Amino acid sequence: GIQVEQSPPDLILQEGANSTLRCNFSDSVNNLQWFHQNPWGQLINLFYIPSGTKQNGRLSATTVATERYSLLYISSSQTTDSGVYFCAVEQNNAGNMLTFGGGTRLMVKP
Amino acid sequence: DAGVIQSPRHEVTEMGQEVTLRCKPISGHDYLFWYRQTMMRGLELLIYFNNNVPIDDSGMPEDRFSAKMPNASFSTLKIQPSEPRDSAVYFCASSQSYTSGGDTYEQYFGPGTRLTVT
Repeated sequence: GIQVEQSPPDLILQEGANSTLRCNFSDSVNNLQWFHQNPWGQLINLFYIPSGTKQNGRLSATTVATERYSLLYISSSQTTDSGVYFCAVEQNNAGNMLTFGGGTRLMVKP
Repeated sequence: DAGVIQSPRHEVTEMGQEVTLRCKPISGHDYLFWYRQTMMRGLELLIYFNNNVPIDDSGMPEDRFSAKMPNASFSTLKIQPSEPRDSAVYFCASSQSYTSGGDTYEQYFGPGTRLTVT
């Protein structure tokens, strides 16, 4: 099956700093989503981005499908950004299943 | 819309007991997914349905696990008998297709059920 690798695995930021999270995948995909799992365990949709660039407030994401990677940018980080960020992909011709990466655990310090 | 609804939110049971987890997908969504999250294995798909029909159950760990979707607004995941290694957070998610070939929009996740088997 498809492999999804996220980096870095852990990240500590000072409030106000910017960061870039990376997701590499090993095969062509139909669908790519970024999620934020908050400290209460809820998986919150951030972006549905099989290709191109999207922005939502302080967050933006870019997927370069031909090179099999996606980036999530967090600008002016806040303590509420803390949690785990997951990238999940739906492989071409492999059904509608999402395969999740291992996540990036982010801690933003005040 | 209320989003994906799961119940119970927490379940504590003893080894050997039957456990039933419930899910109500977002209205109008024709795909429903059950995932499990553990520290060791991360988030993994167990089974998914399209129009109430199971499509792929290759992620179901063993025969003790079963899932049903009797109608478009309700699904259950049952574990019988439960074992301590089944302790995990179980998520239900739903999505909507936009082509007849099954391409789907993004998946939306419920709040999860935290299962503890002692």
